[in-house]
Amino acid sequence: DVKVTQSSRYLVKRTGEKVFLECVQDMDHENMFWYRQDPGLGLRLIYFSYDVKMKEKGDIPEGYSVSREKKERFSLILESASTNQTSMYLCASSSGGGKRGELFFGEGSRLTVL
Amino acid sequence: AQRVTQPEKLLSVFKGAPVELKCNYSYSGSPELFWYVQYSRQRLQLLLRHISRESIKGFTADLNKGETSFHLKKPFAQEEDSAMYYCALSGGSNYKLTFGKGTLLTVNP
Repeated sequence: DVKVTQSSRYLVKRTGEKVFLECVQDMDHENMFWYRQDPGLGLRLIYFSYDVKMKEKGDIPEGYSVSREKKERFSLILESASTNQTSMYLCASSSGGGKRGELFFGEGSRLTVL
Repeated sequence: AQRVTQPEKLLSVFKGAPVELKCNYSYSGSPELFWYVQYSRQRLQLLLRHISRESIKGFTADLNKGETSFHLKKPFAQEEDSAMYYCALSGGSNYKLTFGKGTLLTVNP
């Protein structure tokens, strides 16, 4: 059973704290993504990576950074958390070629910033 | 730029009734369109993609390039179809997927 695993399901942090969200996939996928999911706004792409050490900004990268040191792991970093970053964060992965667009999602990490 | 519009935030139908979830897109090239579904307390998953031209769980979707639409249809809705549905578009050579804002479908008994 293929899996995308997000290390933390629920986090509560304080404004200004540094936050790490970890994602691991076991499908040897080239591409990995971080989205945030908000009611009424749908899914918005924060960052994606199509190879180790490669990253590209999505639609809402401000306030976030990412790291991909190994193929299977893609981390989302909030350098200084703010209340408007309270959200559900979804990690996803996909293979290349004809299967692009077929994303496999993790269960999500619900972050609350106080 | 690529954009996906789902005009209905909420859609409520009765069991056995036909259902259509609307999706319109904006993209200058040749897009690939997808429908994703998220059932309660489950992870988001792919429902179908337009190039497959297949029916999944009774749902079908046809890409209409003239109307730039990719509406999802099912002739007879079931209660287990209640979920959040997202239309998504992939365009160009990158692997970025742009999602619509989603439609919450409720099928009443």
